[in-house]
Amino acid sequence: SQKIEQNSEALNIQEGKTATLTCNYTNYSPAYLQWYRQDPGRGPVFLLLIRENEKEKRKERLKVTFDTTLKQSLFHITASQPADSATYLCALNSNSGYALNFGKGTSLLVTP
Amino acid sequence: DAGVTQSPTHLIKTRGQQVTLRCSPKSGHDTVSWYQQALGQGPQFIFQYYEEEERQRGNFPDRFSGHQFPNYSSELNVNALLLGDSALYLCASAPVGKRTNYGYTFGSGTRLTVV
Repeated sequence: SQKIEQNSEALNIQEGKTATLTCNYTNYSPAYLQWYRQDPGRGPVFLLLIRENEKEKRKERLKVTFDTTLKQSLFHITASQPADSATYLCALNSNSGYALNFGKGTSLLVTP
Repeated sequence: DAGVTQSPTHLIKTRGQQVTLRCSPKSGHDTVSWYQQALGQGPQFIFQYYEEEERQRGNFPDRFSGHQFPNYSSELNVNALLLGDSALYLCASAPVGKRTNYGYTFGSGTRLTVV
């Protein structure tokens, strides 16, 4: 069956450090992978999209890598700030469908 | 520019009742998708509408139905509510053909509690 797995444990890091979140998937052949941020009681907010033929994508303090051989994406937040504290969701879809399939998300807490 | 608007924000219903949730997509967007998010879980795809037709459906029973109107707004209907239907219901919109570049825009959701 298809699975998308994210770090099940919450990630606690100190302000200024780099946060690294992992997304692993099985039985998918995604055309692209997306990362979203979700705050409590709110809907997900789109952050970055990376295609299957791209290795890395950056946006300001965010960096995403995509390894289709390992079936893994890494999401990095550099120089993290307390305002980065949220749940981060990994999502995959494929050329054959319109659905986004989400992982459970990883909770990130950045402390001053 | 208003994003995705959902109503109501909160709702409490009794088992067996029916509920209708509403969504207005972001201006310029013509596809609307609905997701169910249980506490501590990622959103689960219910269905997507485009040109007033359901064009893909997730693994949800027929009790879940929807509609898209000519102005692209959408409704999600759930019949014969069960306790397990309690969740945050999210609406997401995107411009057709461009979702691969911009991702989806989500609303803040409707929190449905079934008692």
